[in-house]
Amino acid sequence: DTAVSQTPKYLVTQMGNDKSIKCEQNLGHDTMYWYKQDSKKFLKIMFSYNNKELIINETVPNRFSPKSPDKAHLNLHINSLELGDSAVYFCASSQLFGGDYGYTFGSGTRLTVV
Amino acid sequence: SQQGEEDPQALSIQEGENATMNCSYKTSINNLQWYRQNSGRGLVHLILIRSNEREKHSGRLRVTLDTSKKSSSLLITASRAADTASYFCATAALTGGGNKLTFGTGTQLKVEL
Repeated sequence: DTAVSQTPKYLVTQMGNDKSIKCEQNLGHDTMYWYKQDSKKFLKIMFSYNNKELIINETVPNRFSPKSPDKAHLNLHINSLELGDSAVYFCASSQLFGGDYGYTFGSGTRLTVV
Repeated sequence: SQQGEEDPQALSIQEGENATMNCSYKTSINNLQWYRQNSGRGLVHLILIRSNEREKHSGRLRVTLDTSKKSSSLLITASRAADTASYFCATAALTGGGNKLTFGTGTQLKVEL
């Protein structure tokens, strides 16, 4: 059983389109995150949700909108895609706001905007 | 801004040798974690060391933490070809929204046969 699963794994789309990435965790964790990894492997947090409530919202364009229908799911919707959005997006989860626990990451979604 | 800087950026060693990676950070932390990322895959949590701990072991991994110098090191002993991956340190610090994990720049380790 995959602990944190993301779909799709690959996403190629044209500029200006709207796309969504889905994430689900079956670990019973309360907190979920979205991270963006650029071409230089730099990982930056975008959002975190705790039990469906938005907790961290880094400086991310408002074209990015996370949605958490329940604590096991955190989806990412991106409007009006731009070339600079091309990256690998990782979903992660943890217990209790992270605390003294490690994060469990999904395998990533490689987004390519052409 | 990026919290952690890792050194070296890339490291190439022979199988059986030890690999040491260093991480420096800038602000106070609750804990520091190390992750491994194989090419094209997600990150895997390796080990966590709390701010009041100085050293921790897990199998072939040894992590040290010096909060006075704001630095940590990861030692992989008796490396294997399967250890080839990127290694990231990540610092956890309390924010208004709970712990936030901020990643370093990563060290790319290559273990050759």
